[in-house]
Amino acid sequence: DTEVTQTPKHLVMGMTNKKSLKCEQHMGHRAMYWYKQKAKKPPELMFVYSYEKLSINESVPSRFSPECPNSSLLNLHLHALQPEDSALYLCASSQDISSGANVLTFGAGSRLTVL
Amino acid sequence: EDKVVQSPLSLVVHEGDTVTLNCSYEVTNFRSLLWYKQEKKAPTFLFMLTSSGIEKKSGRLSSILDKKELFSILNITATQTGDSAIYLCAVLYSGNTPLVFGKGTRLSVIA
Repeated sequence: DTEVTQTPKHLVMGMTNKKSLKCEQHMGHRAMYWYKQKAKKPPELMFVYSYEKLSINESVPSRFSPECPNSSLLNLHLHALQPEDSALYLCASSQDISSGANVLTFGAGSRLTVL
Repeated sequence: EDKVVQSPLSLVVHEGDTVTLNCSYEVTNFRSLLWYKQEKKAPTFLFMLTSSGIEKKSGRLSSILDKKELFSILNITATQTGDSAIYLCAVLYSGNTPLVFGKGTRLSVIA
């Protein structure tokens, strides 16, 4: 299995809703990432988990809450989002974050629309 | 200040043309440079370059790294409409710093 699976593919939510994005990989990768991508822009790093511990938080607002229940799963909990949070949310994984041969494998993304 | 700069930002060519995309970087403790292709959804991996002067090739795509001048190029020969995408360059440096992406080059190939 060489895939990163993200669900749901599309999500529409109101500003008062609570929802979650899910990401799963079975490649034995120990680093997992959340990126946010707006239209016509490159992916922007949000969070990095290394060996199930939060390693990097790129000053992301607390309305985004990551969780790594085990080495294969990564969640992003969403609460009280704003319309400007609408974007494609990409999950990625890699063997680890310190290897010089660190190729990220991306999931297909979850397209989020906040009304 | 951007650590990874790609040029051009966008490019329109006709089928059959050859294109060269550029990526320059300015980081300390460089480790590797990666090229990704992004169509509608997830970026897909193309090449990883760690050594200067060694060309990586896959079909009509090829890439090379110059660690002295701190840049890489991605060449696409005999372009096809299916090559239309955003091409992202990313650099890995230091210890636990994850990939840093450039802004990408949007390539449009018209028939």
